[in-house]
Amino acid sequence: DARVTQTPRHKVTEMGQEVTMRCQPILGHNTVFWYRQTMMQGLELLAYFRNRAPLDDSGMPKDRFSAEMPDATLATLKIQPSEPRDSAVYFCASGWTGDTEAFFGQGTRLTVV
Amino acid sequence: GENVEQHPSTLSVQEGDSAVIKCTYSDSASNYFPWYKQELGKGPQLIIDIRSNVGEKKDQRIAVTLNKTAKHFSLHITETQPEDSAVYFCPLREGAGSYQLTFGKGTKLSVIP
Repeated sequence: DARVTQTPRHKVTEMGQEVTMRCQPILGHNTVFWYRQTMMQGLELLAYFRNRAPLDDSGMPKDRFSAEMPDATLATLKIQPSEPRDSAVYFCASGWTGDTEAFFGQGTRLTVV
Repeated sequence: GENVEQHPSTLSVQEGDSAVIKCTYSDSASNYFPWYKQELGKGPQLIIDIRSNVGEKKDQRIAVTLNKTAKHFSLHITETQPEDSAVYFCPLREGAGSYQLTFGKGTKLSVIP
């Protein structure tokens, strides 16, 4: 059963610390999305990769957030330094350019205290 | 950019009744209209979609209807069950040839047993 895997599922960290979230897209998928979900803003797109290249990261605060795909099986989202307002659930989704469906992972619930 | 409005933001129905959620969009060039369901603690999942050359599509108890003239599409759930309780989203695809999905705040559906 192919699925998107995100780690960790939960993360509690202190303000100012670095946070790294990881995502393993479904094998064969060539598009990867990072979303952030909060009650106030809903589901916001942070970054979008196609064939490991970043196509759109306009939704991401550039001063503290960074997203990369070191290889086709791993996508990372890093926050440095973290702030309480970054507390949210972060989702990774993958797909492929021959289809329109995005497959979501279970999310990483981040709490910054 | 593309804009989508989803109504209502919350909806409560008695088990067995029908539920309807509506999305209005602004870009006449939009040609793909999906609905995603997010259960508690999980990522969103595609449940049904429709393309602009079709007016209605059904899959058991769920259906999507499209009115291109009025620029809106709706999700219909009949004979609702408690497991239909979730948040429903109608994301829009940004730009021709893009696989980027823009979500909003969704509709929280509660089915009361």
